[in-house]
Amino acid sequence: DAGVTQSPTHLIKTRGQQVTLRCSPKSGHDTVSWYQQALGQGPQFIFQYYEEEERQRGNFPDRFSGHQFPNYSSELNVNALLLGDSALYLCASSPSGTGFGYGYTFGSGTRLTVV
Amino acid sequence: GQNIDQPTEMTATEGAIVQINCTYQTSGFNGLFWYQQHAGEAPTFLSYNVLDGLEEKGRFSSFLSRSKGYSYLLLKELQMKDSASYLCAADNQGGKLIFGQGTELSVKP
Repeated sequence: DAGVTQSPTHLIKTRGQQVTLRCSPKSGHDTVSWYQQALGQGPQFIFQYYEEEERQRGNFPDRFSGHQFPNYSSELNVNALLLGDSALYLCASSPSGTGFGYGYTFGSGTRLTVV
Repeated sequence: GQNIDQPTEMTATEGAIVQINCTYQTSGFNGLFWYQQHAGEAPTFLSYNVLDGLEEKGRFSSFLSRSKGYSYLLLKELQMKDSASYLCAADNQGGKLIFGQGTELSVKP
């Protein structure tokens, strides 16, 4: 049974560019959450998608947007990249029926470097 | 405000016991998680506490006191492979996890 799959694993972008990161949730999971983890820090909540809608959002600017598709997969888009956006981006999926936090499964992340 | 505090670094000896403390302050609370994260890898689930008390799972135990906003993770019979970052996270509401900065544990021979 495949877990959470994220692509790409690594990415280098230039300041001002736009980037799209992708996540396929674990089988049976319908909720996807995105986190940003800067080096040496804990993950910070960006937003959560359920039933193709943004359900909750953390303290991130509108440059960060997302989407969830009917098959529950999700994309994270970041516009006008800044050097400070360099981080590990983690996707976590969970089944809605068990209490969202408990069933969390994290993907291995996408390492984004902005130069 | 919302805040999770845990020590930045800890060092322990192989075979010993180590306790990693975490204090939290959140506007909502649905439980406290501990995750292990090796460098460059995804966080992996260790434990979940929603009621006061101790939860034991093999070499790992986790304790929660909701009234004190306090939790700890206890690792027994330390092994070299336990060297990793340990993340404390509070489920604020509906699966939004608030993480601490992580405790980098180094296990020495």
